[in-house]
Amino acid sequence: DTGVSQDPRHKITKRGQNVTFRCDPISEHNRLYWYRQTLGQGPEFLTYFQNEAQLEKSRLLSDRFSAERPKGSFSTLEIQRTEQGDSAMYLCASSFAGNTIYFGEGSWLTVV
Amino acid sequence: AQTVTQSQPEMSVQEAETVTLSCTYDTSESDYYLFWYKQPPSRQMILVIRQEAYKQQNATENRFSVNFQKAAKSFSLKISDSQLGDAAMYFCAYRSVGAGGTSYGKLTFGQGTILTVHP
Repeated sequence: DTGVSQDPRHKITKRGQNVTFRCDPISEHNRLYWYRQTLGQGPEFLTYFQNEAQLEKSRLLSDRFSAERPKGSFSTLEIQRTEQGDSAMYLCASSFAGNTIYFGEGSWLTVV
Repeated sequence: AQTVTQSQPEMSVQEAETVTLSCTYDTSESDYYLFWYKQPPSRQMILVIRQEAYKQQNATENRFSVNFQKAAKSFSLKISDSQLGDAAMYFCAYRSVGAGGTSYGKLTFGQGTILTVHP
């Protein structure tokens, strides 16, 4: 099994630009999660998919954020009109049903 | 909503010694799962150990063991015979139980404890 794969690993963008992150979960994992982590803090939940259905969204996921998992496989997280406060690591994770959640290495976003 | 608190921002231990990391949580649920995750400097989160709340026996994985005190809502991690490779940020996490008694939904994390291992 390959692990959870995230792309790009690092992104530097200017304030106001849009960015998109992609996550490829472990094959056959039906659940996919997005978290945000700032330096020295624990990950904060953003959203969660079971197959293609988005089952839960955090209040942290403002209307500038949108996540999709169109075919129940890979997922994208888009941030529109980025702000400096969006600078963080965006972690993707996956699991099969209620089993162990496996994390990717994360996508670092720096907004300048 | 559940909350997880790790009151030790940093801990240090000598190689081969034992260290205990603390975690408390707050929940109104009677059944749930608790986890310790390790995040080394390379940043990928790795599961260290898990505990089902309905089990009275404390979980053990090789050098890692937990002290689960359900009434006190406490879940500490003990690392025995510490190794240099144990140096990392450690996160305590909570997960609810869904239908069928299986782990369900998102993880709620504490703030983390940075563990330094001295040679």
